[in-house]
Amino acid sequence: KNEVEQSPQNLTAQEGEFITINCSYSVGISALHWLQQHPGGGIVSLFMLSSGKKKHGRLIATINIQEKHSSLHITASHPRDSAVYICAGATNKLIFGTGTLLAVQP
Amino acid sequence: DTAVSQTPKYLVTQMGNDKSIKCEQNLGHDTMYWYKQDSKKFLKIMFSYNNKELIINETVPNRFSPKSPDKAHLNLHINSLELGDSAVYFCASSQEGGAGEKLFFGSGTQLSVL
Repeated sequence: KNEVEQSPQNLTAQEGEFITINCSYSVGISALHWLQQHPGGGIVSLFMLSSGKKKHGRLIATINIQEKHSSLHITASHPRDSAVYICAGATNKLIFGTGTLLAVQP
Repeated sequence: DTAVSQTPKYLVTQMGNDKSIKCEQNLGHDTMYWYKQDSKKFLKIMFSYNNKELIINETVPNRFSPKSPDKAHLNLHINSLELGDSAVYFCASSQEGGAGEKLFFGSGTQLSVL
């Protein structure tokens, strides 16, 4: 079992829907990263958080340290949000989740 | 004006060959990394270097040898390539190497070993 688990593995949504991707971890971490990988392959860091909540545009990331759980929310989803979203727990290195493939249909 | 650039983007080669992937960052960061992404999109760290010094070596076969001539460069040399080495390799950098720091990734090198 991976130390960082994501759900769902695949997600299809209609444009405009509110999307939630979940990340649970079983190891002690100092921070939780959310990354986005577009079909072209490049990886972009979206958020890094160690407590509470962060917001950037239509993206919101939350973390609950006690429950060892983080969520990534996308409001008013758009086809350009289609990508693989990866969470990673930071110990002395990053431990990655298995990724969530999101497809937003027009 | 790419922050982290790696070359080549695609690399197709025969089993048994030796190949290198180059990475350069112009962000002034102290720490650089190599990650491997398998066919299921699962990322795993291979190496990290801080100011030219090896920090993390994640049980990677000896056929993989990173080389950091200066803190802006971290190249990956692979000897005797095997079919299982086929993957996408990502270079990345961060300011000081703390696990809680933002990472900046290169665009990836897709290696195909035939």
